[in-house]
Amino acid sequence: GQQLNQSPQSMFIQEGEDVSMNCTSSSIFNTWLWYKQDPGEGPVLLIALYKAGELTSNGRLTAQFGITRKDSFLNISASIPSDVGIYFCAGQPLTISGNTGKLIFGQGTTLQVKP
Amino acid sequence: DAMVIQNPRYQVTQFGKPVTLSCSQTLNHNVMYWYQQKSSQAPKLLFHYYDKDFNNEADTPDNFQSRRPNTSFCFLDIRSPGLGDAAMYLCATSRTSGIQNIQYFGAGTRLSVL
Repeated sequence: GQQLNQSPQSMFIQEGEDVSMNCTSSSIFNTWLWYKQDPGEGPVLLIALYKAGELTSNGRLTAQFGITRKDSFLNISASIPSDVGIYFCAGQPLTISGNTGKLIFGQGTTLQVKP
Repeated sequence: DAMVIQNPRYQVTQFGKPVTLSCSQTLNHNVMYWYQQKSSQAPKLLFHYYDKDFNNEADTPDNFQSRRPNTSFCFLDIRSPGLGDAAMYLCATSRTSGIQNIQYFGAGTRLSVL
């Protein structure tokens, strides 16, 4: 089945450092979403990407929809302690039968920030 | 203001005792989803409703059922919870199941099975 490979699995960084994580797939995706999940809470949408090559920013966050439509990355600049959490990529794959309406999730990247 | 509301936030049940989790939304979205999430894993889709049409995932156990009495509410029923059903249960909604399907999640219900 369709899978998203998200890396790295975890990161431990110093406050102020920049962070980069990415997701790749062997399948083509229509939509890429990036979510952040705090402990004990539900995922919160950070950025949504709809077109190949699209680069979108949300404050210190920047994400891009890969040209091949098979990958996406998320960058966080100047990390702060509240950036701690699990970051999930999620994609909406395009199948032979059309849009499934379902999201495929990456395995998550756990980010820890040392003050 | 919360747009996808899950109640309760924490639920403790006994092995084999039926339990119902609830989700409500103020977004007037057509689609509502239920996910199961175990520790440090990605959410796993159990089923979803597109309006009144129910769509079950092939690997969702029969022990899990759902009801959607109206647009705003959706329930997850676990008929006979086992120890392996202890998890975070997430409700999500989206306006459509087509292109640009952005799903908005509730805060989740943490289920413990004793």
